[in-house]
Amino acid sequence: AQSVAQPEDQVNVAEGNPLTVKCTYSVSGNPYLFWYVQYPNRGLQFLLKYITGDNLVKGSYGFEAEFNKSQTSFHLKKPSALVSDSALYFCAVRDMGGSYIPTFGRGTSLIVHP
Amino acid sequence: NAGVTQTPKFQVLKTGQSMTLQCAQDMNHNSMYWYRQDPGMGLRLIYYSASEGTTDKGEVPNGYNVSRLNKREFSLRLESAAPSQTSVYFCASSVSPSGTQETQYFGPGTRLLVL
Repeated sequence: AQSVAQPEDQVNVAEGNPLTVKCTYSVSGNPYLFWYVQYPNRGLQFLLKYITGDNLVKGSYGFEAEFNKSQTSFHLKKPSALVSDSALYFCAVRDMGGSYIPTFGRGTSLIVHP
Repeated sequence: NAGVTQTPKFQVLKTGQSMTLQCAQDMNHNSMYWYRQDPGMGLRLIYYSASEGTTDKGEVPNGYNVSRLNKREFSLRLESAAPSQTSVYFCASSVSPSGTQETQYFGPGTRLLVL
């Protein structure tokens, strides 16, 4: 079985400050991990993914995420937040040895204050 | 490239009515997906098509049917709409359903209200 948790419904951060959006996962085997962003009234857009290799993954718009196998986490980070980063962020996981169906988290609303 | 397109953008149905949501992609992707998004629930997979000619149930298939018309098009049909199907529906596609090419590309969504 696979599952993903985003423990925070909302994250508030001031513009220019670093941001972190948390994601933890559970899989039987090895994970494929993804972050997507959804702007208001839009579809999801891919940000970054971890398949294998380096634990630090760099993605679009200056975002990065660190795969931590011991803590089963894949937190999304950005060194300096922008107001335009305000959106809904989804973490997704798929068990590499499982079915093709990915599991999405419930989403975290990121609000960046000017 | 238009990417993934969906029609209609918004629809209001009465309970018991039927409708088909259309999805098309112009990226030559093999796999296509239908999700529904509900507040606090994240995205839940309704059906997917790993490749042309195949379809499989996802997490919440009841009340829905799909057709993979060709490589480009994947439609979702509600035969008898119920208020519980009020949601935002997203179509997505990927090169393949597995490995390094399973990044999904999403359409803009269809907002469905069932009265």
